[in-house]
Amino acid sequence: QQQVKQSPQSLIVQKGGISIINCAYENTAFDYFPWYQQFPGKGPALLIAIRPDVSEKKEGRFTISFNKSAKQFSLHIMDSQPGDSATYFCAASIGGGFKTIFGAGTRLFVKA
Amino acid sequence: DTAVSQTPKYLVTQMGNDKSIKCEQNLGHDTMYWYKQDSKKFLKIMFSYNNKELIINETVPNRFSPKSPDKAHLNLHINSLELGDSAVYFCASSTWESSGANVLTFGAGSRLTVL
Repeated sequence: QQQVKQSPQSLIVQKGGISIINCAYENTAFDYFPWYQQFPGKGPALLIAIRPDVSEKKEGRFTISFNKSAKQFSLHIMDSQPGDSATYFCAASIGGGFKTIFGAGTRLFVKA
Repeated sequence: DTAVSQTPKYLVTQMGNDKSIKCEQNLGHDTMYWYKQDSKKFLKIMFSYNNKELIINETVPNRFSPKSPDKAHLNLHINSLELGDSAVYFCASSTWESSGANVLTFGAGSRLTVL
């Protein structure tokens, strides 16, 4: 049972473009939504996170948009760079707690 | 200084063998985890220990046995290895941040190949 659905599976973007990755969740008890970035041969690392009491959070070129009524959230990467090429995972947990459920991941490739 | 370190990084073994993966964290975190990442990159939690106590035990075959000798170490032992056990196993640790969330720090992974 996949509780966090992520799309697209892969994404190719030109340098300078906007990368958009979407996620949807089912469990309304989820209240913490992090995004993790994973480079080849490395473990995932926290990129940015949001709680459902805000609709948007921005950190540098990375923005999370959150739609509580639709149970959807998305990651926008502005001015995408080749160094952003990685796999991105959305995730969710209850109470920001111990059990984090991950989406299936999106492989992003930014063309120079 | 590596925050979460796992050994070995690569492990190739035959079906039916028993193997172990070790994990150590120097972050002072109270909670440690094992995650499995399959060939499609899907990340699934297997186990979690908080202060050496097992708090999460997902539906994992009992051939997998975690052991936490202290809160800085979490090892994973796998008996009677099967082809389907081939995956990358990630150790992680976490602590409660000022944001009120439990943030995961992952190791670099241990790639297990069962032949």
